[in-house]
Amino acid sequence: DIQMTQSPSSLSASVGDRVTITCRTSQSIYSYLNWYQQKPGKAPKLLIYAASSLESGVPSKYSGSGSGTDFTLTISSLQPEDSATYYCQQGYDTPWTFGQGTKVEIE
Amino acid sequence: QVQLQESGPGLVKPSETLSLTCTVSGGSSTRSSYSWGWIRQPPGKGLEWIGTLFDSGSTNYNPSLKSRVNISVDTPKNEFSLKLTSVTAADTAVYYCARLSSKSVVGWFGELLAEYFDYWGQGTLVTVSS
Repeated sequence: DIQMTQSPSSLSASVGDRVTITCRTSQSIYSYLNWYQQKPGKAPKLLIYAASSLESGVPSKYSGSGSGTDFTLTISSLQPEDSATYYCQQGYDTPWTFGQGTKVEIE
Repeated sequence: QVQLQESGPGLVKPSETLSLTCTVSGGSSTRSSYSWGWIRQPPGKGLEWIGTLFDSGSTNYNPSLKSRVNISVDTPKNEFSLKLTSVTAADTAVYYCARLSSKSVVGWFGELLAEYFDYWGQGTLVTVSS
């Protein structure tokens, strides 16, 4: 199975901050990487697919980059509604696997 | 607006079979050229892909569950289902159904067929306990 490692596991930042979450995979997955946002008690929501393609309707403050084994999700200007857990997921090879999640909190 | 809704028992006894149904509505149907999947999340933990039913009719399951899982579709009812046999307490989780979309993406790497879960049900908690 392809292992997914996100860092940090959690972070706390201020409104307006630029926040970056990293996802590293145990082998190259080219650009088969998706990002999801999950708020407490809710289903995950797709933010980014194919490493850098923004899902329709998702604010442009979210961006993704990377390829191979190293990927990042960036929130350009953190707002209170961005408080959530973020997961990366590889779609290169089954079993599809998720990172352990990064919990983002507002200071 | 595509909507998915899970339904099924919230409590299952150990060694029995967990059965859930996902009803699709609002502009998408199981007849359309989409694939459908199940994902679960134990309380307080991360996400685990269970399996996918592709528009071709084929299925792909997580090897960790493969011997116990079956995903099927009931096209006339716009539903697809999950059955997980011989459950234990480790199968206690929130179970999500989701639509799998695919899109051809062209970049510096060439062209790839991206697959991603773009619509999710609200999730249903299934507890395995006697």
